Amino acid sequence: GAGVSQTPSNKVTEKGKYVELRCDPISGHTALYWYRQSLGQGPEFLIYFQGTGAADDSGLPNDRFFAVRPEGSVSTLKIQRTERGDSAVYLCASSLIGGNTEAFFGQGTRLTVV
Amino acid sequence: AQKVTQAQTEISVVEKEDVTLDCVYETRDTTYYLFWYKQPPSGELVFLIRRNSFDEQNEISGRYSWNFQKSTSSFNFTITASQVVDSAVYFCALSENSSNTGKLIFGQGTTLQVKP
Repeated sequence: GAGVSQTPSNKVTEKGKYVELRCDPISGHTALYWYRQSLGQGPEFLIYFQGTGAADDSGLPNDRFFAVRPEGSVSTLKIQRTERGDSAVYLCASSLIGGNTEAFFGQGTRLTVV
Repeated sequence: AQKVTQAQTEISVVEKEDVTLDCVYETRDTTYYLFWYKQPPSGELVFLIRRNSFDEQNEISGRYSWNFQKSTSSFNFTITASQVVDSAVYFCALSENSSNTGKLIFGQGTTLQVKP
């Protein structure tokens, strides 16, 4: 499809394990965002990529969280030593050039840490 | 500090009623953008509208209308003649020009239930 694709749609992992969440943005979109949405809350910003570089990672909660976008397209959010508090829906969005242009969201990855 | 407040956690209406979702924001920027997104049960956030801080004209799109008032820092969303398919969580969001990233600051969302 032509939209933002996130895989997996659901991920259950044990506390302490490492997980990777993948985002495939809309083709040609240079800007990519990761957000985290806890139950009953609005999405919270994690990190913003412009091309291959992380232009703003101020929302990453701690150094267990890391994200890459090596070729300026697909991005991977990596979480080390997962904790139960990391359980949430992780949303990815892309926009054509960033700034304040319209962002298109994927359906998210629901992460459950048990 | 930047903040978006959606005071209504849940609203329930009967089909064909009009409903208004409130949004109040805080920002120190003079240039900013306001958004509304719809999140149906599938989870994907669907863009509805973007307004910049210099354009206070109200906007209408079909059954949807938006009232932007800088004097009260509000950007309210009205659905006229609601339908069951309007049932979803609606988010108001703010983007500050000074961030130069387009990152969105979301409110907590309002869950709208439209009953047949």
